[in-house]
Amino acid sequence: DAGVTQSPTHLIKTRGQHVTLRCSPISGHKSVSWYQQVLGQGPQFIFQYYEKEERGRGNFPDRFSARQFPNYSSELNVNALLLGDSALYLCASSLGTGTYEQYFGPGTRLTVT
Amino acid sequence: ILNVEQSPQSLHVQEGDSTNFTCSFPSSNFYALHWYRWETAKSPEALFVMTLNGDEKKKGRISATLNTKEGYSYLYIKGSQPEDSATYLCAFDYSGGYQKVTFGIGTKLQVIP
Repeated sequence: DAGVTQSPTHLIKTRGQHVTLRCSPISGHKSVSWYQQVLGQGPQFIFQYYEKEERGRGNFPDRFSARQFPNYSSELNVNALLLGDSALYLCASSLGTGTYEQYFGPGTRLTVT
Repeated sequence: ILNVEQSPQSLHVQEGDSTNFTCSFPSSNFYALHWYRWETAKSPEALFVMTLNGDEKKKGRISATLNTKEGYSYLYIKGSQPEDSATYLCAFDYSGGYQKVTFGIGTKLQVIP
């Protein structure tokens, strides 16, 4: 079975641009969460979507948005990129909310110059 | 801001040694604690989801305990092997099931053959 996939693997953008990151969950998983990991820190929670609805949002500015599609795949959008947005963006899927195990994708490495 | 601390931040052990590390978290609003193993160039892998005070979980040579009243969890590795080399992350879930978790910075383990 395919695991969680993310695209692209790497991305270089310029300040002020916007970016869209994509995530495909494991088949049958209805929950997708997004995390940002900057060097030297643990991953920080950005969003959780379950059944196409936002179920949780971390302390990120409104420049960050996401959505989940009917096939449960998800996009993370970041507008007006700042240098500080350079990070590894991780997507994780799970069967549902609650104490289900999360399965992580390989991440998208975003560099903002 | 929730404080999830892991110690030590890094350690080196000889192959065959047993080791343990700590995750400290707030003792209020506890819902679950997750442990992950993150090998270089791979995705974080779920090890345990722990929910009850006094929980003990085991997977092969790795085990974990949970004390929610005092706010800590221990991860033990018995007879460390080079393939155990990874960063071990804990994540505190305070959101009542929406997986709005706060990660620690991780413990980076290097097992020397």
